Amino acid sequence: QQPVQSPQAVILREGEDAVINCSSSKALYSVHWYRQKHGEAPVFLMILLKGGEQKGHEKISASFNEKKQQSSLYLTASQLSYSGTYFCGTERNQGGKLIFGQGTELSVKP
Amino acid sequence: SAVISQKPSRDICQRGTSLTIQCQVDSQVTMMFWYRQQPGQSLTLIATANQGSEATYESGFVIDKFPISRPNLTFSTLTVSNMSPEDSSIYLCIGMNTEAFFGQGTRLTVV
Repeated sequence: QQPVQSPQAVILREGEDAVINCSSSKALYSVHWYRQKHGEAPVFLMILLKGGEQKGHEKISASFNEKKQQSSLYLTASQLSYSGTYFCGTERNQGGKLIFGQGTELSVKP
Repeated sequence: SAVISQKPSRDICQRGTSLTIQCQVDSQVTMMFWYRQQPGQSLTLIATANQGSEATYESGFVIDKFPISRPNLTFSTLTVSNMSPEDSSIYLCIGMNTEAFFGQGTRLTVV
């Protein structure tokens, strides 16, 4: 069951903030976040494990609400380098397969 | 972190032929997976490569079409068999312990 991401696309000006959401209909063990730039492989941003944690990575942070089976990725004071497609990936069990959402295309303009 | 070398990076193949993609990890990983990604689309899981045993395929993917090997914890191959233009896509190898590490991908065009 593929997780659902929203929005599908977002356009920002440099310095603006954005939130990308990832929802699952099933209980999750973990949520991963990746960024993919055009023509490149996805790059790991962070992983959140069940237990409802939050993590930060420079100006990018994320939360995981285990009860709601939702995760949100927060991008603050966006930079041009943040442009790309963001994918969440969900694991239902530890050591299980990773199922990716459909992606959110983020464009940061000067 | 792990570094994954995937080859070939791209190929153009004739329909009806087969292509084997190799994935080498520089350290042991617990899990290895093969995904397919159409341009502008998400990553679709083909199968989990199990060390020393048959791969576990997702719905819509079968062993005869996509045979997979994983002889040890650092190496796996995916073969795309009897190719048709519909198989044109990017194929990605992933190694995973906690986080996932991606190969550079193989861009396959079937003509």
